[in-house]
Amino acid sequence: KAGVTQTPRYLIKTRGQQVTLSCSPISGHRSVSWYQQTPGQGLQFLFEYFSETQRNKGNFPGRFSGRQFSNSRSEMNVSTLELGDSALYLCASSSGTSGEQYFGPGTRLTVT
Amino acid sequence: GDSVTQMEGPVTLSEEAFLTINCTYTATGYPSLFWYVQYPGEGLQLLLKATKADDKGSNKGFEATYRKETTSFHLEKGSVQVSDSAVYFCALSDPSNTGNQFYFGTGTSLTVIP
Repeated sequence: KAGVTQTPRYLIKTRGQQVTLSCSPISGHRSVSWYQQTPGQGLQFLFEYFSETQRNKGNFPGRFSGRQFSNSRSEMNVSTLELGDSALYLCASSSGTSGEQYFGPGTRLTVT
Repeated sequence: GDSVTQMEGPVTLSEEAFLTINCTYTATGYPSLFWYVQYPGEGLQLLLKATKADDKGSNKGFEATYRKETTSFHLEKGSVQVSDSAVYFCALSDPSNTGNQFYFGTGTSLTVIP
């Protein structure tokens, strides 16, 4: 089975712009979670989607949003980018009810 | 609420030394416990897991035992190699919560020197 894929792998954006990141889960997985990883804050949970519905949400401002499509692929969007949004954004998929999450390689976002 | 507390690093060991990385947890239900490893420039990889008390997860020489009485899931390896240099994350998933949200520790950086 193919693993979790994330595109693009690297992004450079300017403050104030918006960005969309994409995640394709492992085939058959219906749950997709997003995390932000920074050296200072570690791994922080953004949100989880299951069957196109947001099931859980972390403590991030409304500039961070996401969605999931009927094929379980997910996107996250960050609007009005700030310098502090520079991070590695990780996507993880799981079968949904419980059990391990499988991570993609991440998207490295740099905001200048 | 649910949380994971992990031993702070960085940890530096000589090759063939014994490794322990401490992890304790707080959960309202009966969680599943995991160790993930992250190599430079990569995402997290599942290293091992345990789903109930007294279960021992093991993989690639690493082991961790789910201890309900001490709410711990310490990672151990008897003889580390240079290739084990990475960041290790302890995590839990609590089935009493809605969804499959994971709670991660802050990560422990391990460097193994020859």
